[in-house]
Amino acid sequence: KAGVTQTPRYLIKTRGQQVTLSCSPISGHRSVSWYQQTPGQGLQFLFEYFSETQRNKGNFPGRFSGRQFSNSRSEMNVSTLELGDSALYLCASASDDYPSWDEQFFGPGTRLTVL
Amino acid sequence: EDKVVQSPLSLVVHEGDTVTLNCSYEVTNFRSLLWYKQEKKAPTFLFMLTSSGIEKKSGRLSSILDKKELSSILNITATQTGDSAIYLCAIRAGSYQLTFGKGTKLSVIP
Repeated sequence: KAGVTQTPRYLIKTRGQQVTLSCSPISGHRSVSWYQQTPGQGLQFLFEYFSETQRNKGNFPGRFSGRQFSNSRSEMNVSTLELGDSALYLCASASDDYPSWDEQFFGPGTRLTVL
Repeated sequence: EDKVVQSPLSLVVHEGDTVTLNCSYEVTNFRSLLWYKQEKKAPTFLFMLTSSGIEKKSGRLSSILDKKELSSILNITATQTGDSAIYLCAIRAGSYQLTFGKGTKLSVIP
């Protein structure tokens, strides 16, 4: 099975712009989660989608949003970019089957730099 | 709020040494504890421990969950330079999200 894929891999934006990141989960996985990773804060949960519905949301401002499509692919959007949004954004997918649904498989990430 | 604390934050050992990484947690409605290894980019899954599976082993790596002490350890025996990475501990609690610790950076020198 192909793993989780994320596009683009690298992105440079300037403050005030917006950005959209894409994630394709492992085939058959309907759960997609997004995380932000920075050196100071580590991995922080953004949100999780399952069957096109947001099931859970972390403590991030409303500038961070996401969605999931019927084929389970997911996008996240960050509007009005700030310097502090520079980070590695990781997407992870999980199976529906117990107990595997607790195992999350990560994509390679998108490295976002905000200038 | 769920909390995961890993120690030490960093560790330098020589090839062949045995290391023990620690993870303690404070969560409500514990479901599972996961260990990941992160080298350059994506964390790769190592183990998942639950109430019904408190001990896992794979090659030189092993992990134990202590539900009474709310902690877990990850052991690596006969370390190799390829073991150099950040090791992440995460908890799956009542919600669907994973809460991660800050990680332990392991450096193995020849």
